[in-house]
Amino acid sequence: GAGVSQTPSNKVTEKGKYVELRCDPISGHTALYWYRQSLGQGPEFLIYFQGTGAADDSGLPNDRFFAVRPEGSVSTLKIQRTERGDSAVYLCASSADGYNEQFFGPGTRLTVL
Amino acid sequence: AQKVTQAQTEISVVEKEDVTLDCVYETRDTTYYLFWYKQPPSGELVFLIRRNSFDEQNEISGRYSWNFQKSTSSFNFTITASQVVDSAVYFCALSGRSNFNKFYFGSGTKLNVKP
Repeated sequence: GAGVSQTPSNKVTEKGKYVELRCDPISGHTALYWYRQSLGQGPEFLIYFQGTGAADDSGLPNDRFFAVRPEGSVSTLKIQRTERGDSAVYLCASSADGYNEQFFGPGTRLTVL
Repeated sequence: AQKVTQAQTEISVVEKEDVTLDCVYETRDTTYYLFWYKQPPSGELVFLIRRNSFDEQNEISGRYSWNFQKSTSSFNFTITASQVVDSAVYFCALSGRSNFNKFYFGSGTKLNVKP
C-alpha cells in the first residue's frame, strides 16, 4: 500500500509569511507525528496525534507553530510569521497504534528567506 | 531524561568491509524501545529494527546485525560485507515508557561505502 506522503516537497517563503505543510498518513494508522530535522541533525519531535486530538504537543517550539488533524487522517502543520530559523526539513510519520514503529514520509524542505 | 548519542559523525569504508555503528542511550525508564532507521540520500527515513528493553537477544537480518547490551546502554549496528547501496545516514532512536510516542533520535552517523 501507499506510504506516508507529504506536500509540498519543497517550500520557499519569505520571512514573516504563513505556511501550511500537509501530511497524508498510511491508511488506517491512528497515530501521526511531526518532526523537524535541521541539517546534520536527527529528527526532533514536534507533536503527536492519536486520532483527531493532539496527545502531545510538547515539542512545538512556540505559539507560531500549530497542527491539526480534523478527521483523524490528513494533518496540516501551520507556521505563522515564519522566521529564518524555521528553515528545516519537516517530517511526518504514522504508526498503527502509537506503540509501534513509526513510518516516515519524504519530508517537506522549508526555506525561509 | 532521554538521550541518544551517536559519537561517530561519519565513517568511510571500502565495499565488502564490515562496519559497526555505535549507539549509546540514556533513560530513566525501565521499559523502553530502541530503533534504527536508515536515511538514504533521497531523504526518507526507513525503519530497520525495533528492540524492547526486556529482550537483550542479538538479532541478525541478512547482512545486518544488532548488539543490544543493557550493561553498557548500547545498541550497536553492524553491517557485514558492506555494499555501496548501504551508503546513507543511520539514526538510532529511543522511546521510553514515560512516553512511548516521543522518539528521541541521535544525531546520526553518515556511512560512505566506496566501491
